[in-house]
Amino acid sequence: GNSVTQMEGPVTLSEEAFLTINCTYTATGYPSLFWYVQYPGEGLQLLLKATKADDKGSNKGFEATYRKETTSFHLEKGSVQVSDSAVYFCALIDFSGGYNKLIFGAGTRLAVHP
Amino acid sequence: KAGVTQTPRYLIKTRGQQVTLSCSPISGHRSVSWYQQTPGQGLQFLFEYFSETQRNKGNFPGRFSGRQFSNSRSEMNVSTLELGDSALYLCASSLGTPANEKLFFGSGTQLSVL
Repeated sequence: GNSVTQMEGPVTLSEEAFLTINCTYTATGYPSLFWYVQYPGEGLQLLLKATKADDKGSNKGFEATYRKETTSFHLEKGSVQVSDSAVYFCALIDFSGGYNKLIFGAGTRLAVHP
Repeated sequence: KAGVTQTPRYLIKTRGQQVTLSCSPISGHRSVSWYQQTPGQGLQFLFEYFSETQRNKGNFPGRFSGRQFSNSRSEMNVSTLELGDSALYLCASSLGTPANEKLFFGSGTQLSVL
């Protein structure tokens, strides 16, 4: 079945460091890919998405490119801030059998220190 | 525009009891989906409702059920609670049209089963 694998955390960085969180997926078709972020005590917020190969999603300085050849959707940010500390989830939409069924990775906790 | 509202925010129950969680979607949204989040299993899809009909269901036992009302509000019920049902239950709403939908998540209901 479809699945998402992302790097284990926690990832600990100093402010202004470069961030990469790896995400790879397995899918039978051509899924849409997402990054969601969860701040402490809150639900998930959509950070960015890409709907087809070579699409680049971007938001708030974060970017991710849909790479069909490597089945990857790595999240990057050039200069992280303390306020970026959160848990990041890579996800894909599985359309088999219905709509809006997101399949999530395990999540990667990011801690940014001043 | 009000976001997705989940009530209650916290709930403590004992084994064998049953519980009902509520979700009010964003006005105009007709789709409501439910996810279970645990440290061990991560985020897992429970089910999705659209216009009072269940369109999609995850791999959970029959103790987990839900329904949606004509105003799109949804409830989720878990009967005969087990310790392993302790989790954060997240509700997400969307317009419900197919393909690459953006889901809006509530802050969740934290259920503790003692």
